[in-house]
Amino acid sequence: EAGVVQSPRYKIIEKKQPVAFWCNPISGHNTLYWYRQNLGQGPELLIRYENEEAVDDSQLPKDRFSAERLKGVDSTLKIQPAELGDSAVYLCASSLAGRGDTQYFGPGTRLTVL
Amino acid sequence: QKEVEQDPGPLSVPEGAIVSLNCTYSNSAFQYFMWYRQYSRKGPELLMYTYSSGNKEDGRFTAQVDKSSKYISLFIRDSQPSDSATYLCAPGPGAGSYQLTFGKGTKLSVIP
Repeated sequence: EAGVVQSPRYKIIEKKQPVAFWCNPISGHNTLYWYRQNLGQGPELLIRYENEEAVDDSQLPKDRFSAERLKGVDSTLKIQPAELGDSAVYLCASSLAGRGDTQYFGPGTRLTVL
Repeated sequence: QKEVEQDPGPLSVPEGAIVSLNCTYSNSAFQYFMWYRQYSRKGPELLMYTYSSGNKEDGRFTAQVDKSSKYISLFIRDSQPSDSATYLCAPGPGAGSYQLTFGKGTKLSVIP
């Protein structure tokens, strides 16, 4: 069974540029999560989707971050414009159902903003 | 006070040693207690989880939860170089919450 797929694996951009990350969850997983992991820290949730609906986006900085999950499968996380402080690893995870089910993480996208 | 406190290490031990990794938490609503392992340049993977207080053993790994003191432990017996990774504790979805609250992680190196 294929795991969570993310692309790109690495991205280097200059500040004020836009950037987008893509995630393909495990087949059949209805719940999708985007996390941000700063260096030396644990992952922090940005947004959670149940199918195509964003049910928890309270930690998403909405002035510059946006996300979508069209058709309830793949998801894209966008930052526009990027700031130096956005440098981090962006992790996507998926699970069968939200509460109490194992979250399976992708390898992440390492973003560097110069 | 952060919801989850974890000593970031790094922790270096010789092969075969017993390793003890610990976390404290502050939210009494936490019901599930998970340990994730994260290898360098990889995403976290679930290692073990326990529900409520008590011990759970899986091979060389033992997870322990003491809800009265809000203390979570992971023990690794006969540690191997392949155990070298960062270990993240994550009190799981509590009542009404779907959000994992990760500790900072403890970086473990097992020296051959």
